Amino acid sequence: AQKVTQAQTEISVVEKEDVTLDCVYETRDTTYYLFWYKQPPSGELVFLIRRNSFDEQNEISGRYSWNFQKSTSSFNFTITASQVVDSAVYFCALSEDDKVIFGPGTSLSVIP
Amino acid sequence: DTEVTQTPKHLVMGMTNKKSLKCEQHMGHRAMYWYKQKAKKPPELMFVYSYEKLSINESVPSRFSPECPNSSLLNLHLHALQPEDSALYLCASSHQESGGGPDTQYFGPGTRLTVL
Repeated sequence: AQKVTQAQTEISVVEKEDVTLDCVYETRDTTYYLFWYKQPPSGELVFLIRRNSFDEQNEISGRYSWNFQKSTSSFNFTITASQVVDSAVYFCALSEDDKVIFGPGTSLSVIP
Repeated sequence: DTEVTQTPKHLVMGMTNKKSLKCEQHMGHRAMYWYKQKAKKPPELMFVYSYEKLSINESVPSRFSPECPNSSLLNLHLHALQPEDSALYLCASSHQESGGGPDTQYFGPGTRLTVL
């Protein structure tokens, strides 16, 4: 069975600190897709990144970066120089057929 | 434009009421989804429509009835709900690639439903 684990339930950091959100997944598929979504207090899920299993290149987008390690089945997300607007729940997700399986989420609080 | 709209934003209903949630997208996406999200939990998939046909029903109780009138619209009809059905209901859409794996789902802002 597919599974996504986000071991950190809640994280608090002070503004401008770097923070890494962990994601570990389980799958028997050789081809799969991983996603990160952000859910601010307003409720809307905002897409951040989609990565397929054949592309292990790390990605950077502004203050956001992602580290995909197939050997450890991890897809970690780092926010550099965190800001108050980064406060949200972040979900890691894994594709399964036509569905997406969400992890339990990590609630990030950035304190001014 | 990656916008999915949902109405209403908030809905309060009694257990005997009939109401509908609406979702709309104009991105040309051919797959649309309904999710239910309880507080401090991840979204749970309820239904998937692919090319306007219901392709996945995650054993959702019949008091929830989805409808896809056309490729841009998705409704969720509610009848005889229970208080435990109170949740955030999220709609999403995706391009629906052919053989290219699940495409990115874009979500609407959700409808916050309270059942009294």
